[in-house]
Amino acid sequence: DTAVSQTPKYLVTQMGNDKSIKCEQNLGHDTMYWYKQDSKKFLKIMFSYNNKELIINETVPNRFSPKSPDKAHLNLHINSLELGDSAVYFCASSQEDGPRMEQYFGPGTRLTVT
Amino acid sequence: AQTVTQSQPEMSVQEAETVTLSCTYDTSESDYYLFWYKQPPSRQMILVIRQEAYKQQNATENRFSVNFQKAAKSFSLKISDSQLGDAAMYFCAYRRSNQFYFGTGTSLTVIP
Repeated sequence: DTAVSQTPKYLVTQMGNDKSIKCEQNLGHDTMYWYKQDSKKFLKIMFSYNNKELIINETVPNRFSPKSPDKAHLNLHINSLELGDSAVYFCASSQEDGPRMEQYFGPGTRLTVT
Repeated sequence: AQTVTQSQPEMSVQEAETVTLSCTYDTSESDYYLFWYKQPPSRQMILVIRQEAYKQQNATENRFSVNFQKAAKSFSLKISDSQLGDAAMYFCAYRRSNQFYFGTGTSLTVIP
């Protein structure tokens, strides 16, 4: 079974459109995250949610909004897409306590804005 | 603020040889976790190894081992008997509470 899943894996869209990326984890983790990986492979944290509460927002434009309907899901909505939004977006999750303190990552969504 | 530095953007190693990837971090905390992740061309982020700061013993996972120097805030990854499948981007990461900090990555090439 896939631990962290994201849909879609590829997304091609035009400037100005609104799109969403879905993320689900079946690990029972407390915290979920969204990262943006640019063409230089830098991983930038965008958001994290702990028990449906936003705890990190790293100067991300307000065109990006996370939505967490429940503990197992953290979706990413992007309004008015721009060329600079083209990147790979990763969802991840982690447990607050326990022997395994690493993040588990989804497969990534490659977003291309034309 | 916590930062993670990987000073080697690119490294190469001959197949079957050993290579060490460097990572340093900045923190004032004493309780934290460190990780190495591998990202092959498939782009999936894969955990290679983890280290708890309270443990003095260096973590090992088969051909992968770390040299954890807490006082020096250094966390290097050693890959022994390198294989073609080890070619990937390697990221060092630091965890404190629910916050993770990643380095800029080291691209490893394995030469046949």
